[in-house]
Amino acid sequence: DVKVTQSSRYLVKRTGEKVFLECVQDMDHENMFWYRQDPGLGLRLIYFSYDVKMKEKGDIPEGYSVSREKKERFSLILESASTNQTSMYLCASSWGDSNSPLHFGNGTRLTVT
Amino acid sequence: QKEVEQDPGPLSVPEGAIVSLNCTYSNSAFQYFMWYRQYSRKGPELLMYTYSSGNKEDGRFTAQVDKSSKYISLFIRDSQPSDSATYLCAMSAGNYGQNFVFGPGTRLSALP
Repeated sequence: DVKVTQSSRYLVKRTGEKVFLECVQDMDHENMFWYRQDPGLGLRLIYFSYDVKMKEKGDIPEGYSVSREKKERFSLILESASTNQTSMYLCASSWGDSNSPLHFGNGTRLTVT
Repeated sequence: QKEVEQDPGPLSVPEGAIVSLNCTYSNSAFQYFMWYRQYSRKGPELLMYTYSSGNKEDGRFTAQVDKSSKYISLFIRDSQPSDSATYLCAMSAGNYGQNFVFGPGTRLSALP
């Protein structure tokens, strides 16, 4: 079974703090993704990566950056957290071909106060 | 118009009922269709994955795709309390970048 592990289930941060969300997958998947999930808006893609050190912007990259130094690990960085970044953050991974479905972690609930 | 529409519910059904969950979409390029189940405070779990039009069955679950109507469905037979969750549809054109588009989800309560 694919396992995607997000390092924190719940985080509370203050406005202006730098926040790191970590994700590790154990299936040697080429692709990794960061989504945020908000009520009524569905899942929205922030960034994705199809290879080590590669990254592509998704639909809502503003205010975020990512890092992928190793194949199994994909980090989401909020350079200066704001209250409108309070959300559920979901990491996902998939095989390299464009048809592969996503496998999700259990999410990090981030609250910015 | 949103690219993928899904009734948010909540939908309450008695145990043992047949449940029908639906999504409509506007992009005729979508070819790959998925249904995810998400329990409270958990990540989405892949339930069904289909390509193009047709039906796919897995146990109590059947996924249907009608590309001509831009309409997909998930049927759950003999619903159980453990089916209580939010169900998300997702779809993709299969292009580079894997930009999956998700519906907002339908919350289902299967009551004992």
